[in-house]
Amino acid sequence: SFELTQPPSVSVSPGQTASITCSGDRLGDKYVCWYQQPPGQSPILIIYQDTKRPSGIPERFSGSNSGNTATLTISGTQAMDEADYYCQAWDSSAAVVFGRGTKLTVL
Amino acid sequence: QITLKESGPTLVKPTQTLTLTCTFSGFSLSSSGVGVGWIRQPPGKALEWLALIYWDDDKRYSPSLKSRLTVTKDTSKNQVVLTMTNMDPVDTATYYCAHRHSYYSAMDVWGQGTTVTVSS
Repeated sequence: SFELTQPPSVSVSPGQTASITCSGDRLGDKYVCWYQQPPGQSPILIIYQDTKRPSGIPERFSGSNSGNTATLTISGTQAMDEADYYCQAWDSSAAVVFGRGTKLTVL
Repeated sequence: QITLKESGPTLVKPTQTLTLTCTFSGFSLSSSGVGVGWIRQPPGKALEWLALIYWDDDKRYSPSLKSRLTVTKDTSKNQVVLTMTNMDPVDTATYYCAHRHSYYSAMDVWGQGTTVTVSS
């Protein structure tokens, strides 16, 4: 079955750049989206179709996808960005697959 | 403005069937490309996708839970219903429904979630 692998945790200092990876077999051939889940809240879509941001999502969030790895990059990380982040793709049978999530800590 | 809200029992007994309703507004589930998905999250754990129903009544299920899940829609009521049979304590989770955007191919609006506890 198709699986997505994320690091359990990433730490970053305020104002620095955070990168969260998501790996899967030939992931670059699929569209990836990213969700942010602040503590105690519902997930929020922050990146779709690998690189696109929905309206209202700050420019400091960006995405890329190539080969077997997709990456979410947060530039100028702020304390408010501390949350869990999930990548998501669609497998060959059009089923939804989520990564296991990455906890971003802003130190 | 798109909104979704989950409703259903907060407590079910082991072996019982869970029925959850997602009531939505701001979109039509008869519009091409649109879908409604169900996702759950056990306490302190990751998101787990359960099912997705599309505007044309195409349905997709998590392979690991397919035998226990049924998703249906009532377009006239703006509702989607998920049933899960043979509930077990490991099914204790917050259950979310979400709008699947026709162009984004992603779930762009989520409900607030409803917490379901499975216990005797």
